[in-house]
Amino acid sequence: AQKITQTQPGMFVQEKEAVTLDCTYDTSDQSYGLFWYKQPSSGEMIFLIYQGSYDEQNATEGRYSLNFQKARKSANLVISASQLGDSAMYFCAMRVKIQGAQKLVFGQGTRLTINP
Amino acid sequence: DGGITQSPKYLFRKEGQNVTLSCEQNLNHDAMYWYRQDPGQGLRLIYYSQIVNDFQKGDIAEGYSVSREKKESFPLTVTSAQKNPTAFYLCASSIYGGQRTEAFFGQGTRLTVV
Repeated sequence: AQKITQTQPGMFVQEKEAVTLDCTYDTSDQSYGLFWYKQPSSGEMIFLIYQGSYDEQNATEGRYSLNFQKARKSANLVISASQLGDSAMYFCAMRVKIQGAQKLVFGQGTRLTINP
Repeated sequence: DGGITQSPKYLFRKEGQNVTLSCEQNLNHDAMYWYRQDPGQGLRLIYYSQIVNDFQKGDIAEGYSVSREKKESFPLTVTSAQKNPTAFYLCASSIYGGQRTEAFFGQGTRLTVV
């Protein structure tokens, strides 16, 4: 089954600290893509970072990096030097192919709260 | 500016009524998706479409219907058969094919049954 698991319903972090949000995935495909999205209280979904299954290096986008461990099927998001504006829901997602069609499967999300 | 537009932002439906949520994109994307989000939950896929005049059921399609007559448009109808339609609905689009194709999302429609 194609599935994303995020085991941390909520995280509380002090401002300026680094934070790691966990994500594990399950797929039998050899080719897949992993994404992280941020959802502030307004509801919009903001794309943060992408990792391809064949990418040998971990993806980085500014303060965001993805700790990709293929053998363990994990794709954790690391946010360095957290800011108050980072408080939001964070979703891990995987692009899968089913019967020739592509779709995104999402995890349950982690609510991150940055404390001043 | 290119993007995805969902309307309306808020929608109220009486029991037994059908309502249609609009989703339009000018990104020239082939693939479009509808997701439902309940409070504190992740996104669940309702329907998706890879090309015009073709669409597939997602994980929770019962009580919903869609059409894809134009590449730019993918409206979602919430029918009276949907027993618990109150939720936040998100439309997304992406390039079809390849991995490095993130989905772009609209601002969402919050549907409430009154």
